[in-house]
Amino acid sequence: SYELTQPPSVSVSPGQTASITCSGDKLGDKYACWYQQKPGQPPVLVIYQDDKRPSGIPERFSGSSSGNTATLTISGTQAMDEAQYYCQAWASSTVVFGGGTKLTVL
Amino acid sequence: QVQLVESGGGVVQPGRSLRLSCAASGFTFSSYAVHWVRQAPGKGLEWVAVISYDGSNKYYADSVKGRFTISRDNSKNTLYLQMNSLRVEDTAVYYCARDPTAIAGPMDVWGHGTTVTVSS
Repeated sequence: SYELTQPPSVSVSPGQTASITCSGDKLGDKYACWYQQKPGQPPVLVIYQDDKRPSGIPERFSGSSSGNTATLTISGTQAMDEAQYYCQAWASSTVVFGGGTKLTVL
Repeated sequence: QVQLVESGGGVVQPGRSLRLSCAASGFTFSSYAVHWVRQAPGKGLEWVAVISYDGSNKYYADSVKGRFTISRDNSKNTLYLQMNSLRVEDTAVYYCARDPTAIAGPMDVWGHGTTVTVSS
């Protein structure tokens, strides 16, 4: 079965750029999207179709994808961005989520 | 406003059944695919199933195939998840989520979830 691999944790200082990767076989040939989840809340879509931002999502969130890796980038990271982030793709007639990355802003 | 509200969760013994519902409002429900996604306590997101806008296509995770059935009633703007032969490992918060594409995601609107606890 298809797997998406994310680093368990990423740390960033306020105002700096955070990058979270998501790896999967030929992921660049599929569409990837990203969700942000804060404790006790449902996930929120922050990036879809690799690099598109839904309305209401700040411009500091961006995405890219190539080869086997999709990347979520948060520029000028703020304390409010501290959360769990999940990548997601469609493969073999199933939705696949990555294991999630805990972003810590310190 | 656009909203999804899950219901039907609770505590159930292993081997028993439960039916979850997801009521949609604020948008044309019959135009969207809808997913069920679950999250076990302290764990990540796990996709469960998806149904196309008209109910003609359904896909399931291997972990629930043959035990869970996804369905929808577009006249009632409601999505369902029939869960049979429940196992302890099915314990989770169950979310429904709207999909503006065919069935592959992304999921742009999520409910707040309903909790299912499978325990003897």
